[in-house]
Amino acid sequence: GESVGLHLPTLSVQEGDNSIINCAYSNSASDYFIWYKQESGKGPQFIIDIRSNMDKRQGQRVTVLLNKTVKHLSLQIAATQPGDSAVYFCADRFKTGANNLFFGTGTRLTVIP
Amino acid sequence: DSGVTQTPKHLITATGQRVTLRCSPRSGDLSVYWYQQSLDQGLQFLIQYYNGEERAKGNILERFSAQQFPDLHSELNLSSLELGDSALYFCASSGKGGTNEKLFFGSGTQLSVL
Repeated sequence: GESVGLHLPTLSVQEGDNSIINCAYSNSASDYFIWYKQESGKGPQFIIDIRSNMDKRQGQRVTVLLNKTVKHLSLQIAATQPGDSAVYFCADRFKTGANNLFFGTGTRLTVIP
Repeated sequence: DSGVTQTPKHLITATGQRVTLRCSPRSGDLSVYWYQQSLDQGLQFLIQYYNGEERAKGNILERFSAQQFPDLHSELNLSSLELGDSALYFCASSGKGGTNEKLFFGSGTQLSVL
């Protein structure tokens, strides 16, 4: 079942600042983690993913950090822009062979111009 | 545009009724997933199909069923609808349904049960 949870339901940041969205997971059998962004009225959009054999992965303006010791995942967005305003979900996948993802409840990021 | 098509975008119906939601995966994707998103909630995994066969089952009610057809499109059938079934229903697809594949989501079907 679902194992991920978000530390904060909402986050407000000033435009240009960096954003950090945190996520905790409970299942040590999780071997793959992924972040999605969901804008109002749209489906979740892939941002970045990371496998459990990695600690850090960088994309364009985004970085995902994985701390397996404390079962913690974070998404860092550099130079946050108004277009980054959305709900961000983390999800994990268990080593079950199935590809279904288990999502947390999400963090609503609001960028203040 | 993710390439995943869901119809209809909106559906309004009454309690006790039955509806069918449709999903066309991205071209070439064999695996289809259904998720339910209630107001201010995360996405709840319902069911996964791979090349026409059920592959994984999540929190799907017995009143709900799904199938994937030979052309790989999928339908989610919701019957004996209750007020609490009102939600956004998302379909997602991935290539071969293997591990570590990204899921691509459609825009969802907003179901309102009155």
